[in-house]
Amino acid sequence: GEDVEQSLFLSVREGDSSVINCTYTDSSSTYLYWYKQEPGAGLQLLTYIFSNMDMKQDQRLTVLLNKKDKHLSLRIADTQTGDSAIYFCAELNNTDKLIFGTGTRLQVFP
Amino acid sequence: DTEVTQTPKHLVMGMTNKKSLKCEQHMGHRAMYWYKQKAKKPPELMFVYSYEKLSINESVPSRFSPECPNSSLLNLHLHALQPEDSALYLCASSQDTKEQYFGPGTRLTVT
Repeated sequence: GEDVEQSLFLSVREGDSSVINCTYTDSSSTYLYWYKQEPGAGLQLLTYIFSNMDMKQDQRLTVLLNKKDKHLSLRIADTQTGDSAIYFCAELNNTDKLIFGTGTRLQVFP
Repeated sequence: DTEVTQTPKHLVMGMTNKKSLKCEQHMGHRAMYWYKQKAKKPPELMFVYSYEKLSINESVPSRFSPECPNSSLLNLHLHALQPEDSALYLCASSQDTKEQYFGPGTRLTVT
């Protein structure tokens, strides 16, 4: 079956790095995504990685993919208060359906 | 431009009302989606339109009726809803299923 798991909560100090982790079960996933959702808002596509890549960097964001362990992570460098939100990882399954994780609430404190 | 717009932002309706949610994108995307999101949960797929034709219905009750009048517009018609249908309804669009862009959502409350 398809299952995407994330830890529920992460708290970091402003200026530190944040690492949000995700595990998935579907080995046929082609793309893996990170979305950000601020309170009362829609989902913002932050970045995504093709399943044959190990790493992707985009400004303060670094995505690492360990396909053998089916583990995906999102590192946010120099975390700011504006990064406080819920972060969803998602995989695109073989019927082109997005399977979302449970979401990780990131809280940034001064 | 990766903007998907949705109206209204908030909607309160009674169980006997009929209302519609609207979604619009001008990115030339061929696929459009409706998702339902309950509080503290991830979005759940409801419907997918591809080239203006309904391609996926995730066993959604018939009180939700989608419509795609043209390639830029997607509607969700609501009738005889229940209080448990209260949620954030999100629209998304994509060109090739690889990148889905979401709108801000409509917060629906059924009384």
